[in-house]
Amino acid sequence: GAVVSQHPSRVICKSGTSVKIECRSLDFQATTMFWYRQFPKQSLMLMATSNEGSKATYEQGVEKDKFLINHASLTLSTLTVTSAHPEDSSFYICSASPLKTGGDTEAFFGQGTRLTVV
Amino acid sequence: QKEVEQDPGPLSVPEGAIVSLNCTYSNSAFQYFMWYRQYSRKGPELLMYTYSSGNKEDGRFTAQVDKSSKYISLFIRDSQPSDSATYLCAMSANTGNQFYFGTGTSLTVIP
Repeated sequence: GAVVSQHPSRVICKSGTSVKIECRSLDFQATTMFWYRQFPKQSLMLMATSNEGSKATYEQGVEKDKFLINHASLTLSTLTVTSAHPEDSSFYICSASPLKTGGDTEAFFGQGTRLTVV
Repeated sequence: QKEVEQDPGPLSVPEGAIVSLNCTYSNSAFQYFMWYRQYSRKGPELLMYTYSSGNKEDGRFTAQVDKSSKYISLFIRDSQPSDSATYLCAMSANTGNQFYFGTGTSLTVIP
């Protein structure tokens, strides 16, 4: 299957600092990438939809000024957690779907980023 | 009502058993159905992908979709301890649309 690389896999930062997480599709192009947050023993919660060349679409309750998303190319989207606080500690996962005609729409996930804010 | 309902388990079975995992959904527009396996502290890994109704088999895994009942299943034959993970169902209406996930079912296969 297609490969989505997410970096870093684990990061610890101090409260008040910003952290950038990268999501790359390695062997395909994706106009749309999704960013999720996952709490322990819970499913993925969609945070925002990242569209190449345009502003991201945020889900209700997700602060767009806190979670900055940049989708600068067809293979890269970044999520920046600004002024991080301990309650932002979580597992962040991105996914991307290959550009295809005809309707297929598998989503492939990155390996996730464990963020710990101390 | 949630878009996708999935029994969180936990489900515990002996090695070699047949496992049945299920999800129900409410949105009749869903056409794309996926099953993911997620090991602890890892990102979800795509296991099976099905478009519209029908069955799909891949090795020990079989995915079934019944759109009339809004019900999907994943069967695991000859289950192995390495199958112990959380299994998430996901679905989508159209290409590029967001995916809706079940809460995941935690499975443990006991040697």
